[in-house]
This record gives sequence, structure tokens and C-alpha cells, in this order.
Amino acid sequence: NAGVMQNPRHLVRRRGQEARLRCSPVKGHSHVYWYRQLPEEGLKFMVYLQKENIIDESGMPKERFSAEFPKEGPSILRIQQVVRGDSAAYFCASSPVRELVWNTEAFFGQGTRLTVV
Amino acid sequence: ELKVEQNPLFLSMQEGKNYTIYCNYSTTSDRLYWYRQDPGKSLESLFVLLSNGAVKQEGRLMASLDTKARLSTLHITAAVHDLSATYFCAVGRTKTSGSRLTFGEGTQLTVNP
Repeated sequence: NAGVMQNPRHLVRRRGQEARLRCSPVKGHSHVYWYRQLPEEGLKFMVYLQKENIIDESGMPKERFSAEFPKEGPSILRIQQVVRGDSAAYFCASSPVRELVWNTEAFFGQGTRLTVV
Repeated sequence: ELKVEQNPLFLSMQEGKNYTIYCNYSTTSDRLYWYRQDPGKSLESLFVLLSNGAVKQEGRLMASLDTKARLSTLHITAAVHDLSATYFCAVGRTKTSGSRLTFGEGTQLTVNP
């Protein structure tokens, strides 16, 4: 019964490179959420996706960041031309599809810790 | 915009003592969560509170929810060193946001021998 799987766990990128973070949801879950946690801070919502659809990207920076959740395969959070301020822990959560059940809990992955040098 | 505020942000306490962490939120919500995070780790779910007056207890931790006051508390009884961690409350927003959560800033708890 695998939980949410994120990889890599640690990622080091030089300024200007691209970072790709992967998230495989709990089997059977088709909602994925990405959160960012800056050092010493709480988690901030970035984007909410369902399969092949972005539902809410209100927390995502307008430039350099993109997310997708294809029909097959993991969800990807992509950061282009990374800067030092992108250094953070990025957490993915998934929740099941159940109509009219709004009290479902989101299950969090272990996170990817991105360091930009 | 939903805002979630925790206090205190830092808490240093001695083993054996009791204390309460508070979580206030600004708009109506249908669920509230408490999570624990150890340094460098992910979030461990502690409690899910879904209705006014809900109270849940696990070991030395007890959480309650007052939806009218928009307040949740996490009470620590007879603290032990193993409880040292950062505790987050998180609030579920609207039905249209699925399971999206808005987090408080976290309370960094240190329990001293």
C-alpha cells in the first residue's frame, strides 16, 4: 500500500538550470496538490490538478513554474531557470476522487528538497 | 482570502508540563487538520476535525474545534521530549477547492528534560 511517492528526495541545481519534481499519487487518487515550504515557514499551496486538468493554480508564480498531471504517469512540477529563492521543500499531496465527499484527507509525500547553488 | 494563524510560534516547555497551541482561522471551513513535522521530514497527520465541538485525543495530545469561534486548540498533557517537533494546523477551504489546505505558520515545540 504505497503512499505518495516523490522523487528525487534531494535535488541540487545551479542558477539558471531547470528542476523537475515528480509525484506519484496514492493508487486510485486522481487529485494532486503541490505545496512549497520555505525554510522556517509553513506550507504554501501552489497548484491543484486532476488528471489532465489544472483546477487551481492561484498559488503558483506566473513565470518559470508549471505543473502537469498527465493521463499516465506522475505529476510533474517544473521550475525553469531556477534562482536561489526557489530553494525550498516541495511537497505533493494526493486525495481520492469521491463525489460529494469533501472531508477527505490529503496524503503527503516525503517532499523534494531543492537547493539552488 | 482564508488566513490561518497559530500561536505561539515558538514554545519551549519542560517535561511534565501542560500547554495549549491555538489556531485561529478567518473564514468558514468544513475541516481542520493538525500535522506534526520533524526536521527534514514530511508531515504526519495527527487529527482531522470535521464538526463543531469535535474533540479527539491520541496519547498526550488532544485537539478540539470550535467552528463558531473559528478556533482549534492542540493541548499537550505532561509533555515528553519525544513531542519536540513543529506542529501545523491546516484548514480546508471551500468545497470547490477539493482537499486544498491553508496552513498556519507552525508552532516549533521544544520539550526540555
